[in-house]
Parts: sequence; structure tokens; C-alpha cells
Amino acid sequence: ELKVEQNPLFLSMQEGKNYTIYCNYSTTSDRLYWYRQDPGKSLESLFVLLSNGAVKQEGRLMASLDTKARLSTLHITAAVHDLSATYFCAVDWAYNTDKLIFGTGTRLQVFP
Amino acid sequence: SQTIHQWPATLVQPVGSPLSLECTVEGTSNPNLYWYRQAAGRGLQLLFYSVGIGQISSEVPQNLSASRPQDRQFILSSKKLLLSDSGFYLCAWSVTALNQPQHFGDGTRLSIL
Repeated sequence: ELKVEQNPLFLSMQEGKNYTIYCNYSTTSDRLYWYRQDPGKSLESLFVLLSNGAVKQEGRLMASLDTKARLSTLHITAAVHDLSATYFCAVDWAYNTDKLIFGTGTRLQVFP
Repeated sequence: SQTIHQWPATLVQPVGSPLSLECTVEGTSNPNLYWYRQAAGRGLQLLFYSVGIGQISSEVPQNLSASRPQDRQFILSSKKLLLSDSGFYLCAWSVTALNQPQHFGDGTRLSIL
């Protein structure tokens, strides 16, 4: 069974701190996506990781992909309140259809 | 630029009533189209995807169906809604060759009473 697991499921962190969200997947894939979802809203694309060793950074967020370990990480540097949201990783498991399996999501709350 | 429109934004329906949710994409040709459902506090479950007009693949057995009558139009339907059909429904599009992410509509929040 194809699985995409994230941990932690819930993360409460203080502003200014660093933390990492992990995404493990059980299928062979070289394409992984990170999305952000604000409460009651749709999904916003953050990163597209297309190969082993890929690293992308945008502001205080940095994502990486290790296809051999079937692991992606989303690292948060010096968190601010505006980063509070739910973060999903998704794995492309069927070539030429872009069919995605989404992770369970990590709900991040940043407090002062 | 490409845009995706999804409507209605919210819908409250009685059990046993029919359903029709519509999604249209502008600014691109021959997109892959998707319907997802998100239960409260959960991740996304892929319901249907389509790679072309009239081509629909169902991912899970359910009370719902999908149709693609035009290249950039995707419709989610049901003849008789169940309580378990409640959720947040999201339409998305992508173009495979571009290695770009799927782009999501604003979603429809469906409540079944």
C-alpha cells in the first residue's frame, strides 16, 4: 500500500525557533511537492522537488529530498506567526498523470 | 496566466439530494484535472482524475461520479447524497510536461444535513 507519512502531526513552536517537518513515503518516486493550507482555505504550492538531493529555499522555509531514503524535510528557520498553517507533502507515484498521494499534514502553530 | 474557478464556495444539501460541482480552468490547454475530498482535519483523498475529454479514472469506490464534457471543464456529481459525502472538495489542474505542481481551486465546502 502506498503511504506518505508526516511527523509530527502537530507542532507548536515559539517564534524565533527552528524546527523540521519530516515526510516519509513508501513508493519509488523522484517528484515530491510541499503545500501550505491556511484554515478553511485551499492549498498553495510551496516547493517542487524533482530529483535526489534537490534543495529549495523560500524565505524561512527550506525543503530537501532524499529519494534513496524516501524522505523529504521541510525546515523552518526563526519561525514567525505568519507561518502558522497546515503543511502537506505529496508524492507523485504514477508517471504521466501527476497522480499525487498526500501526507497526513502537519499543523504548525507559532506563538510569541 | 492560468486560473481555476470552482463553484459554489459553500453548499448545504439534504441527504438524498443530487449534487453538481463545477470546475473550469482558463489559460491552458489539455490539462490534467482532479477532484479531491478533504475530511475535517484530514489530508486530501484523490477521487477522480482526467487526462482528456471524456476520460475519467476513479480512484475510490464511492457515491460520486465525474465528467469532463469540455477540455477545461470538470464536473463532480451525485444522484443521491449521503451524510458521509460531507467535506471540502477541491478541484486541481496540472500539465505533466512542465514538471509543475498541481494548482488548486478555492474549494467547495459541502455539508449534508
